[in-house]
Parts: sequence; C-alpha cells; structure tokens
Amino acid sequence: GQQLNQSPQSMFIQEGEDVSMNCTSSSIFNTWLWYKQDPGEGPVLLIALYKAGELTSNGRLTAQFGITRKDSFLNISASIPSDVGIYFCAGRGAGGTSYGKLTFGQGTILTVHP
Amino acid sequence: NAGVTQTPKFQVLKTGQSMTLQCAQDMNHNSMYWYRQDPGMGLRLIYYSASEGTTDKGEVPNGYNVSRLNKREFSLRLESAAPSQTSVYFCASREGRDSTDTQYFGPGTRLTVL
Repeated sequence: GQQLNQSPQSMFIQEGEDVSMNCTSSSIFNTWLWYKQDPGEGPVLLIALYKAGELTSNGRLTAQFGITRKDSFLNISASIPSDVGIYFCAGRGAGGTSYGKLTFGQGTILTVHP
Repeated sequence: NAGVTQTPKFQVLKTGQSMTLQCAQDMNHNSMYWYRQDPGMGLRLIYYSASEGTTDKGEVPNGYNVSRLNKREFSLRLESAAPSQTSVYFCASREGRDSTDTQYFGPGTRLTVL
C-alpha cells in the first residue's frame, strides 16, 4: 500500500525558533493535509493543499505541495509554547476505491522550551 | 454543534472480551472512518463508510467489524479483544461531496486490552 515517510520524528526547540518538517511518499497524491494533535485530543486540520506547487499559509504556518506530488513540507515560524504537539502529514489519492481515504505519516513530536 | 463525538473515552478489557466503540457526527456528513493510532505509526485506517449503507475495509481490518447504523452513527466492534488491539481509536467524518473536503476527527477512545 501507499507509504508516507515523515521527518523528523521529534524536535526539541527553543521558543522563537523556526521549525521545518516534511513528508515524502512512494506514490502520487492529489491532496496533502497537515494536522496537529494536542495531548488527549484528536487531530485538527491546519492546512490543506490541492495543487502541485501550491504554497499556503495559515498564520505562522506555511505548507507546500511538492511539484512531483510525492512530497510536502510544513514550516512554523517564531514558535511559541502552544505549538507543542504531534504534527501529521496526510495524503489523499485520486478517485476510485481510494476516494477520500487518507494515508498518514508517522508524526513529528514537537517540544518547545520557553 | 458538537462535531464528532466518541464513547467511551477510556476502556480496559480482558483478552477475549467484546465491546463496541460508538461514534456520532452532527455535521450531516456522508463519509465516516475508523482509525487506530499506535506510537510511531501515525493513524491507520481500520474501516470506512463512504456513504450510509456502505462499509469497506481499510488498511488494518482484521479483528474488527463495523456498522453504519444511520447517517449520523458509525460503530466499531471488537468481538474478541486481543492485547494487540490496545491502541487509541479515532473516528472521523467527511462531507464527501467534493474532492476538496477534509476529515474531522473525534477526541478518541483509549483502549487497553490486558
């Protein structure tokens, strides 16, 4: 089946630093999504990307849909303590029986030291 | 508008016991999904229901059954629980009418099988 490799697995940073994480796939995706999961909660959508090359921002977050459609990255600028959590990338394939189903990366655990 | 709700939040079972995890959404979404989350493995799809009256296997369906009771509710059943099913289970829903709509997650059920 489809596989997503997300890196890094974990990051320990100081408040104010920028963060970058990425996902690569063995297959082409039509949609890339980035979710954040707070402790004890379900994932919450941060950014959705629908076109190859697309660059989208949401406040201090910026994500890009890779030109090859096999990768995506997420940047967080000027990190703050509430950025702590697990960040997941997810990809969605095209049509047919895979329509709507997501494949998730393994997650990046982010720790921000004040 | 509660979004996606799951019950129970926590459950401890003995090997061989059965139980049903409940999920409901009040967003009039067509598609619903069950995932399990294990450390270092992201979220893996167990079963999904693209629309009321249909269910399909996901990546890891063995040991589970599902019922799409109506448009709002999608339950996950463990007939004979095993320690390997210790995990956090998430339900998600999606409107399903457009290729750009995304999944919304419930808060999760934390299951331990002894």
